[in-house]
Amino acid sequence: QVTLKEAGPVLVKPTETLTLTCTVSGFSLNNARMGVSWIRQPPGKALEWLANIFSNDERFYRASLQSRLTVSKGTSKNQVVLIVSNMAPVDAGTYYCARIPGYCGGGGCFTGDYMDVWDKGTTVSVSS
Amino acid sequence: YEVTQPPSVSVSPGQTASITCSGDRLGDKFVSWYQQRAGQTPVLVMYQDTKRSSGVPDRYSGSNSGNTATLTISETQPMDEADYFCQAWDSTTVIFGGGTKLTVL
Repeated sequence: QVTLKEAGPVLVKPTETLTLTCTVSGFSLNNARMGVSWIRQPPGKALEWLANIFSNDERFYRASLQSRLTVSKGTSKNQVVLIVSNMAPVDAGTYYCARIPGYCGGGGCFTGDYMDVWDKGTTVSVSS
Repeated sequence: YEVTQPPSVSVSPGQTASITCSGDRLGDKFVSWYQQRAGQTPVLVMYQDTKRSSGVPDRYSGSNSGNTATLTISETQPMDEADYFCQAWDSTTVIFGGGTKLTVL
C-alpha cells in the first residue's frame, strides 16, 4: 500500500523557516521516473503547487517562490524534505506531499503527469 | 500559463454535472482532476484526460479538446458534492485551476 506521511510544525513565527518531512512507504523514491510533489492550500482557497523532486534528483519550483523553496531527499532514502524560508502569514495553510507515479513500458520509462496518492496534509499557522 | 474553472456548478440529484477547465490550447496537454470533499484531502479522480483513477465509479468521465477540458458526472449523487480542481503541466511546472464547488441540490 502506497502511503505518504508528513511531519513538521503546526506553528511558525514570521520570518522563521518551515521544514516539512514527507516519509513515503509502499514505493521507492529511487524507482525510475518516480517523484514527489509539494502542494499547499490556504484556508478556503485553491491548491497551489510548490515544488517537485524526481528519482533522478531533478527539482522544479514554483517560479514566484523559487528563492524561498528548497526540496531535497532526506537522510533516510524514503524521505523528502521541503524547506520554506522567511515564512509570512500569507504562507499559512495546509501543506500536502503527493506521489507522482513513474512507470515503465512501451520501451521506456515515464513520469505520470498527475499526483495519484496524497498525504493527509499538515496545517501550518504563521503567527508571532 | 493559467487554467480557469467556474467557481460553482449546481446540479439536481440524478442529473448530469459538467465542470469545465479552460486554457490556451489545453487540448495539447494532459489534464487531471481532483475531488476534495469538505475538510478532506484531495483525491485523484481522473488522469490523462479520460482515465478514471482506481475506485472511481464509471459515472465519472473526462474529455479534453481545443481549449477546454471537461469532467462529467452522470447520475449525480449527494456524495459527489465537493470541490473539483483541474490540473495540467506547463513544461516542468504544475498548474492547478481555481476549483469548482459542485453543489448537489
